[in-house]
Amino acid sequence: GAVVSQHPSRVICKSGTSVKIECRSLDFQATTMFWYRQFPKQSLMLMATSNEGSKATYEQGVEKDKFLINHASLTLSTLTVTSAHPEDSSFYICSARGTSYNSPLHFGNGTRLTVT
Amino acid sequence: AQKITQTQPGMFVQEKEAVTLDCTYDTSDQSYGLFWYKQPSSGEMIFLIYQGSYDEQNATEGRYSLNFQKARKSANLVISASQLGDSAMYFCAMREGGRSFQKLVFGTGTRLLVSP
Repeated sequence: GAVVSQHPSRVICKSGTSVKIECRSLDFQATTMFWYRQFPKQSLMLMATSNEGSKATYEQGVEKDKFLINHASLTLSTLTVTSAHPEDSSFYICSARGTSYNSPLHFGNGTRLTVT
Repeated sequence: AQKITQTQPGMFVQEKEAVTLDCTYDTSDQSYGLFWYKQPSSGEMIFLIYQGSYDEQNATEGRYSLNFQKARKSANLVISASQLGDSAMYFCAMREGGRSFQKLVFGTGTRLLVSP
């Protein structure tokens, strides 16, 4: 089945630094990828929709300048958390949809970000 | 208003028994899709089963089946012959409409614990 690879799986960074998370579709082309955020014991909340070759679409309340998304190719989207603060500590998970209409979303394994 | 409602924060079941996880949804679209995902403690999201709004038969995938009642807007997941490895969070999700880049909306999840 379709595989989505997310890297890194865990990252600890200091407050004020930036962190980049990569999401790759390994065996299919993904024109659209989605970035979710999950706080402990909560559901996944969509942050943004990443479209290859165009600007990402952010959900209401998500700061574009803080969470930079780049979808430079059909197999790679990146999320950069800029000037990270402790409140940005969370589980970030990307997903990508296969090519057919009824394809399910396939998720990466997630990135646990801890900002100290 | 909640689009996806999972009313059971936690469920317990004994090994080899069947369990039903509830999910109701709210949409005015005629075309939509319903998904169930499993999230073990490792954090990955594992796709389990899909039901399209126009599908006449209930979806089945191995030990998983979806009890789709369109008029009641419910899409309950039934796990037969529970196994210890089924212990995890389970999320119901919906994709609305006929647009190409639909996003998934997730419920709050149900934590399933399977006991020996």
